[in-house]
Amino acid sequence: AQSVTQLDSHVSVSEGTPVLLRCNYSSSYSPSLFWYVQHPNKGLQLLLKYTSAATLVKGINGFEAEFKKSETSFHLTKPSAHMSDAAEYFCVVNPTGANNLFFGTGTRLTVIP
Amino acid sequence: EAGVTQFPSHSVIEKGQTVTLRCDPISGHDNLYWYRRVMGKEIKFLLHFVKESKQDESGMPNNRFLAERTGGTYSTLKVQPAELEDSGVYFCASSQVAHYGYTFGSGTRLTVV
Repeated sequence: AQSVTQLDSHVSVSEGTPVLLRCNYSSSYSPSLFWYVQHPNKGLQLLLKYTSAATLVKGINGFEAEFKKSETSFHLTKPSAHMSDAAEYFCVVNPTGANNLFFGTGTRLTVIP
Repeated sequence: EAGVTQFPSHSVIEKGQTVTLRCDPISGHDNLYWYRRVMGKEIKFLLHFVKESKQDESGMPNNRFLAERTGGTYSTLKVQPAELEDSGVYFCASSQVAHYGYTFGSGTRLTVV
């Protein structure tokens, strides 16, 4: 069975401080993993993806995520938060051979000026 | 290029009425997907079209939901009759290659009262 757990439903950080959004997954096979972001009234935008190449994946807008198989984690980080990062973030898994994506419940990031 | 377009962006209907959601994928994308986010839950897969054919409709909740993709271009998702638990945000996505490189629309927020 496949599942994705986003450990925090809400995260608040001050502008300029680091961001950490946590994600754990379970999958029967080697999955592809993604982080998507949704800004208000916008579509889901792909931030980054892991597809069994380098375990540290760099994405857009300064975000990156590290695939840790031993911990079944794929946490999203950014060294310095910007006001424009305020949005909802989704960790997503696509198990090998699966027909669809499995989403976490989302983490809403608030950036305090 | 134009992205995935969904309309309406919002719809409020009464229980028992019919609603039709529309999705226009990116031109040339054979693969079209519908996903749904019910309040407080994760985004879940509904179905996948390849051109005009339903490749996988395992996520459709019940027979009150009917999806079509006439001519392999735009798709509609009809809910008839709508129930309160159908409220949520319905996302459409398209891709050139199946299950890779999704582009999502901004979603239709459906409220059944």
